[in-house]
Amino acid sequence: GESVGLHLPTLSVQEGDNSIINCAYSNSASDYFIWYKQESGKGPQFIIDIRSNMDKRQGQRVTVLLNKTVKHLSLQIAATQPGDSAVYFCAENSGTSYGKLTFGQGTILTVHP
Amino acid sequence: SAVISQKPSRDICQRGTSLTIQCQVDSQVTMMFWYRQQPGQSLTLIATANQGSEATYESGFVIDKFPISRPNLTFSTLTVSNMSPEDSSIYLCSAPGDRDFLNEQFFGPGTRLTVL
Repeated sequence: GESVGLHLPTLSVQEGDNSIINCAYSNSASDYFIWYKQESGKGPQFIIDIRSNMDKRQGQRVTVLLNKTVKHLSLQIAATQPGDSAVYFCAENSGTSYGKLTFGQGTILTVHP
Repeated sequence: SAVISQKPSRDICQRGTSLTIQCQVDSQVTMMFWYRQQPGQSLTLIATANQGSEATYESGFVIDKFPISRPNLTFSTLTVSNMSPEDSSIYLCSAPGDRDFLNEQFFGPGTRLTVL
């Protein structure tokens, strides 16, 4: 499939390391955030979400941190595996327009064996 | 979660022609969404497809260029009209996985369009 990451920031890690992907958002009214993973040739895959009344949420090998003061979101992936290689997008919703998401620019994660 | 399929998965089209993309959801949803992902870019919302009413378009997108149909609660189509090479993109539809929480959106695999 074609690359969707030609113009995106990149992060390269070794297998087994922890990865941290960052995202800044601009709308202080946003109250819901999602991280998506997009592999080459596929649509975005839902990873984890967080609401604005939380500052941390954990899933399986992933943790999302939300800092509303500085409007910053991060995705932490523990023990990164080659299968985690993909483009990662954060998305936000302001709560006033249900279902409408505004996407961040994305980050290409490459995991080296 | 919602399972979403799209047709076609990819197409190569000639300038000036139109292509209709189909999106099917495995459950009834009131709102579906269409996004565009230009090469090397992030996703941009084109419009919200509401069942029983006209689609709502985002700034920069118009109905004449991207007409949308929503004949029932599980299906929608997006037409890319009078195509030019600048329309070459991935077109994606999304829908909520939970009818009580519309913000949790799941995506189809996308339609990869190349316009020559």
